[in-house]
Parts: sequence; structure tokens; C-alpha cells
Amino acid sequence: GEDVEQSLFLSVREGDSSVINCTYTDSSSTYLYWYKQEPGAGLQLLTYIFSNMDMKQDQRLTVLLNKKDKHLSLRIADTQTGDSAIYFCAGYGGATNKLIFGTGTLLAVQP
Amino acid sequence: SQTIHQWPATLVQPVGSPLSLECTVEGTSNPNLYWYRQAAGRGLQLLFYSVGIGQISSEVPQNLSASRPQDRQFILSSKKLLLSDSGFYLCAKRGGIQETQYFGPGTRLLVL
Repeated sequence: GEDVEQSLFLSVREGDSSVINCTYTDSSSTYLYWYKQEPGAGLQLLTYIFSNMDMKQDQRLTVLLNKKDKHLSLRIADTQTGDSAIYFCAGYGGATNKLIFGTGTLLAVQP
Repeated sequence: SQTIHQWPATLVQPVGSPLSLECTVEGTSNPNLYWYRQAAGRGLQLLFYSVGIGQISSEVPQNLSASRPQDRQFILSSKKLLLSDSGFYLCAKRGGIQETQYFGPGTRLLVL
């Protein structure tokens, strides 16, 4: 089945760019997603990318997809303290009704 | 609308007591609904999903059960809680573009 992996922790300074990485195993994933979870809250859909795209930009967010290496990244430009949260990538796990989530990356933004 | 309501927001229960968590959703009819648990740490574990009224698929053997008595209502239950049932329970629905899942605000459960 699908397996999705992320690094556990990333620390950046306010104003810098953040890059959060994710690798997945199931090449049949149609869509790949990034979610943000602030402390004590549910998951908020940030952005998604369709599998036939290489890049998607949405304001400060840039998603890059390397299908050959099965690698997905989320770049946050001009990172703010309000971006501090856990970020999950997720992919659709093949012939199931289920999204498979990574373990989450905790982004800490230092003022 | 992708609005999802979860009730209660926080719950403290003794070991051995019953549990009922409720999730109600707005928007299109007959959505796919999901229950996840997020234990200390961070990973999301899919517990149950439902493709329609009365249709429940269980992902892992456990002390919990789920029911879907109405199209937009999904309930997570237990007859006797264990300490290991503590966690953050998230309800989600599938809507919008294909497999996109939208999440509710969650219920934090502490079993003592």
C-alpha cells in the first residue's frame, strides 16, 4: 500500500523561505495534498497538486512534484510566525477510498 | 459548504465508561465520511470510513465502533473506554475535487 514519509521537524527564521519535503510510494496517486494543523485544531487544506503537474503556485505557497523520484515539496515564501504549525502531506492510496497521510513536519518559525 | 461540526470539543472520561462522539456535516448529500485518531506524536490513524447510511468500514481492530444513522451524521462509540483510547479524534468528509478531505475541529478525549 501507499507509504508517505516526511521529516519530523524544521526550524526557520521569520522572513526566510521554508521547504517541507515528502516522499511517497504509490505512483498512481491522482492528487497530492498539503494540510496545515495549528495547535489544538483540525487539519486545514492548504493546497493540492494534480499528478500531471510539476508545479503549482498559490500566493506564498509553491508545490513542486517530481513524479520520477516520487517527491513532493511545499515551499513557503517569507515565512511568518503564524505559519508555525504541523504540515502533513497526503496522497490517495491507489484503489481505496483512503487518503494516506505522512507523519507530519513541525515547522517552528523563530522571530 | 464543507462545514463539519464535532461535538463535544473536549471530553474527560473514566476508564470503563461509554463514549459517543458526534460528527455532522453540511453540503452535498451522501458524502464519504471518515474518523481519524491522532495520538500524542502526530500521525493520523484512519479508524472508520463510511460511503453511505449504515455502511461502515473498519480499518483497525479496536475498542471502538462507528455508526451512520443519517446521511450527514457519523458517530464514534465505545462501550468501555481504555486508557489507550485517549487522543484527538477528527471527523472528515470527502468533497470538492475528487478525493479532497475536509476536517472538522476535532474532539480531544482524555481517559483517566
